Amino acid sequence: NAGVTQTPKFRVLKTGQSMTLLCAQDMNHEYMYWYRQDPGMGLRLIHYSVGEGTTAKGEVPDGYNVSRLKKQNFLLGLESAAPSQTSVYFCASSDPQGAWTDTQYFGPGTRLTVL
Amino acid sequence: AQKITQTQPGMFVQEKEAVTLDCTYDTSDPSYGLFWYKQPSSGEMIFLIYQGSYDQQNATEGRYSLNFQKARKSANLVISASQLGDSAMYFCAMSIYGGATNKLIFGTGTLLAVQP
Repeated sequence: NAGVTQTPKFRVLKTGQSMTLLCAQDMNHEYMYWYRQDPGMGLRLIHYSVGEGTTAKGEVPDGYNVSRLKKQNFLLGLESAAPSQTSVYFCASSDPQGAWTDTQYFGPGTRLTVL
Repeated sequence: AQKITQTQPGMFVQEKEAVTLDCTYDTSDPSYGLFWYKQPSSGEMIFLIYQGSYDQQNATEGRYSLNFQKARKSANLVISASQLGDSAMYFCAMSIYGGATNKLIFGTGTLLAVQP
């Protein structure tokens, strides 16, 4: 049982390049999330999904797109990377058990550097 | 505004001693959850403990307990009998039901160093 996995673990991009981060979970969770973590700050929500085929914006969605074509996968795309998107990206998933009580389980993170 | 505040950027504790990591929160919503996550130097986020706003008793999970004081809006994490492996960054987070799912709001974290 791998839990939440993320691909790749590290990536370096040049400004303007595009890339896709892949998140996969094997817990059959309905909800999935993408966060970014910057130095001295907690995690901030980028986008989330409450089920296959659905996506919604979080706190800091600009410059990112997401897709949830399969229940177990949640993709985060950067169409034109900018240095401000240098960060550690975390994917999480949760099983809806009742509003505010859902526990989110996180992947290992992807460290992205944009030069 | 909904906010989590962790006022201790860093803390030291001797091995085998207990340590309290502070967390205060701000929300006007009566329904919320409070979480603690551990982030070791390897980078992953590990769920430790959860407390719901309507829970009467403080949550406990092994050596972790959450000291929930609703009137003070505090949710401090207590680690008993610290171990070297407890050295990590600790994040307090609050979940608010956002209409479709709960959204986590994180504090800035406390870096705990356990000394032998």
